[in-house]
Amino acid sequence: KNEVEQSPQNLTAQEGEFITINCSYSVGISALHWLQQHPGGGIVSLFMLSSGKKKHGRLIATINIQEKHSSLHITASHPRDSAVYICAVNTGNQFYFGTGTSLTVIP
Amino acid sequence: DTGVSQNPRHKITKRGQNVTFRCDPISEHNRLYWYRQTLGQGPEFLTYFQNEAQLEKSRLLSDRFSAERPKGSFSTLEIQRTEQGDSAMYLCASRPGQGGTQYFGPGTRLLVL
Repeated sequence: KNEVEQSPQNLTAQEGEFITINCSYSVGISALHWLQQHPGGGIVSLFMLSSGKKKHGRLIATINIQEKHSSLHITASHPRDSAVYICAVNTGNQFYFGTGTSLTVIP
Repeated sequence: DTGVSQNPRHKITKRGQNVTFRCDPISEHNRLYWYRQTLGQGPEFLTYFQNEAQLEKSRLLSDRFSAERPKGSFSTLEIQRTEQGDSAMYLCASRPGQGGTQYFGPGTRLLVL
């Protein structure tokens, strides 16, 4: 069993739709990260969370430490949001990554 | 560019050859991580350094793999006697401390023929 599970694995949405990607983890963590990876491999850190909720532009990330669950929301999705979104947890010394959610936003 | 850099960006090698990758982290970052990523999967942790000390190694890091960070700045990852299963993207990331965000390099894509 993976330490980090993401759902869905693949997601296709129409431009403008509200998108939710879920992440569940099974280990004790000091922080959870949401990452964005574009074709070609570049990874960008979107959020680092240890509690509550963070918002950056059209992106919102929430975490429930008791339930070991986090969600990434994208409001008013746009084709440029198409990418792989990866959930990662920091246990202190190590990072564990989900397999990613491949998002395609169709114009 | 003051981000994390990796060299080379691509490497094609024959099975059995040795390869070495380099990572230059953001200069004030004392923590440096190596990951491996295969197609369709998330990154897998390989090892991490705090300054020059290698503090954690994954079981994935067989004895053919070795990583160094001799002066606490750049790091190298060497794979000896490469196998086809070593083909992957090798990612490096750095961060300023335990509570900081990781910044990823562009990766080195390795293809072992």
